[in-house]
Amino acid sequence: AQSVTQLDSQVPVFEEAPVELRCNYSSSVSVYLFWYVQYPNQGLQLLLKYLSGSTLVKGINGFEAEFNKSQTSFHLRKPSVHIRDTAEYFCAVYSGAGSYQLTFGKGTKLSVIP
Amino acid sequence: DADVTQTPRNRITKTGKRIMLECSQTKGHDRMYWYRQDPGLGLRLIYYSFDVKDINKGEISDGYSVSRQAQAKFSLSLESAIPNQTALYFCATRDREGYGYTFGSGTRLTVV
Repeated sequence: AQSVTQLDSQVPVFEEAPVELRCNYSSSVSVYLFWYVQYPNQGLQLLLKYLSGSTLVKGINGFEAEFNKSQTSFHLRKPSVHIRDTAEYFCAVYSGAGSYQLTFGKGTKLSVIP
Repeated sequence: DADVTQTPRNRITKTGKRIMLECSQTKGHDRMYWYRQDPGLGLRLIYYSFDVKDINKGEISDGYSVSRQAQAKFSLSLESAIPNQTALYFCATRDREGYGYTFGSGTRLTVV
């Protein structure tokens, strides 16, 4: 079985400050990892994904994430946030062996304060 | 047009009524999914389908049923709606080779 834990349900941060949204996963097999963003009253949009290769993954809107296998983490970072980054962010894991589904964390609400 | 279209966008229904949420896609993907989103709980999988003849239950399928009418269409039904099925429902697709899911804009369902 696979699971995802997002360690913070809400993260307030001032505009232009850096931010890290934390995500840990558990799986007994190799995984693929994703971050999605949901802006208010909208659907989910893919920010970035890790499938293989370099552990540092760059996504859209200046976000990046680092896959750490030993710590089973996939934290999302941005060096300088903007008001428009205010949204809910979901970490998700896919492990194809026997699962064939994307499992989501409970989400982290990022609030950027002017 | 959107790649994944959900109808209706919003719906209010009464307890005990049958309701169908529809999803259609133009991606040509085999795999389609229905998720439910509740505040503080993230997205949970209700049903998924790998093709027209292959339908599988997700983690919270009780009270729901689905129909895959064609490769492009995947409908979710609530046979007898109850208030705790009030939620935001998302349809998603995925191609066979990749791992990127494409989500619809969601249907906000309220059961009163």
